[in-house]
Amino acid sequence: DAGVIQSPRHEVTEMGQEVTLRCKPISGHDYLFWYRQTMMRGLELLIYFNNNVPIDDSGMPEDRFSAKMPNASFSTLKIQPSEPRDSAVYFCASSVPGTANTGELFFGEGSRLTVL
Amino acid sequence: AQSVTQLGSHVSVSEGALVLLRCNYSSSVPPYLFWYVQYPNQGLQLLLKYTSAATLVKGINGFEAEFKKSETSFHLTKPSAHMSDAAEYFCAVSDKGYSTLTFGKGTMLLVSP
Repeated sequence: DAGVIQSPRHEVTEMGQEVTLRCKPISGHDYLFWYRQTMMRGLELLIYFNNNVPIDDSGMPEDRFSAKMPNASFSTLKIQPSEPRDSAVYFCASSVPGTANTGELFFGEGSRLTVL
Repeated sequence: AQSVTQLGSHVSVSEGALVLLRCNYSSSVPPYLFWYVQYPNQGLQLLLKYTSAATLVKGINGFEAEFKKSETSFHLTKPSAHMSDAAEYFCAVSDKGYSTLTFGKGTMLLVSP
């Protein structure tokens, strides 16, 4: 089975540009999570969805960040405008129905974002 | 609110030596506890989990962890390290289904020949 698929794997952009990160969860998974990983702050949960509906976006750092899940097989995380402090690895993860809160998350390989 | 503390950002062992990675948790209710492993340039993979059944939990690749409520600990061990175990390890906690995962800062395991 294909795992969680994220694109792009690497993105280098200039400050002020719009960045869109994409995620395809594992088919049949009903929860989708976006995490950010930095050296300073470790892994932070940004937002998560259940059945395509955003449940908790309290981790989204600013209004410059937005996330959507238009259908069960696709989600985007958008940063507009981007800033150097947004440089990080962004992970998408999904979970099997009934296990979202028992920690069994399946992670993608991440999107490494560098904002110059 | 739940939290985890991982002692030591880096742990170095020789191949064949015991691996011990420490994790202490804080939770207002009985927790679920997890260890994840991250290899370079990859996402996190679940290594093992504790969900209130047996206190000694066995995971993949020969790792195990013991839940000790009195010490609020969930340390990860492996009797004999392999070079392939070199990775970053994350402890995580959730409040038994009432919240999402909270991750520790991670411990990088270095294995020397």
